[in-house]
Amino acid sequence: QVQLVESGGGLVKPGGSLRLTCAASGFPFNDYYMTWIRQAPGKGLEWLSYISTSETTLSYADSVKGRFTISRDNAKNTVYLQMNSLRPEDTAVYYCARDRWATVPNLDYWGQGTLVTVSS
Amino acid sequence: DIQMTQSPSSLSASVGDRVTITCRASRSVYSYLNWYQQRPGTAPKLLIYAASNLQSGVPSRFSGSGSGTDYTLTITSLQPEDFATYFCQQSYSRRSFGQGTKVEIK
Repeated sequence: QVQLVESGGGLVKPGGSLRLTCAASGFPFNDYYMTWIRQAPGKGLEWLSYISTSETTLSYADSVKGRFTISRDNAKNTVYLQMNSLRPEDTAVYYCARDRWATVPNLDYWGQGTLVTVSS
Repeated sequence: DIQMTQSPSSLSASVGDRVTITCRASRSVYSYLNWYQQRPGTAPKLLIYAASNLQSGVPSRFSGSGSGTDYTLTITSLQPEDFATYFCQQSYSRRSFGQGTKVEIK
């Protein structure tokens, strides 16, 4: 069965860095785009970034462009989100999701999320 | 960027009611429109993709329609497990979500 497990969240000071990891299993990882989404406490969903199967296409939300970097290791079935210059407003649960291109792109499987707290 | 606006932001309904949630895009998304359900404390779950396609395993009381800039999610005969927050999402130009619609028990 498809599983996505995020890790790497925690407490970090403003201006600090953190790398999130999403370990995938149960499907041919090489064949799927992957996406990161976040949800601030009590708020809605915010799309952050996606990465194509061979890393040739990367896309970012304006709110994180230049600070966050998405990457993947197909040999390890893992996608990463490197987050630099973190701000208090980056505090959120961060989800990774499988980006399925069936008729139109959609997020058909999600991980359980990892909490990132940016505070001094 | 394409902005997605849902209405209403919240609604109260009873078990057995028919519920309709609307999503409007700031420009046409050409049916690149998906719907998700999120129960408290859990990750979102895909319900509908490409405006009207039911995701595998999702009950048939859920349906989607629309085109261009205007889309609708309908739940016929609301069940206790349907009390949750619903989000629309466009995937025509990068990605963006609506702000969510919370369906509460009346």
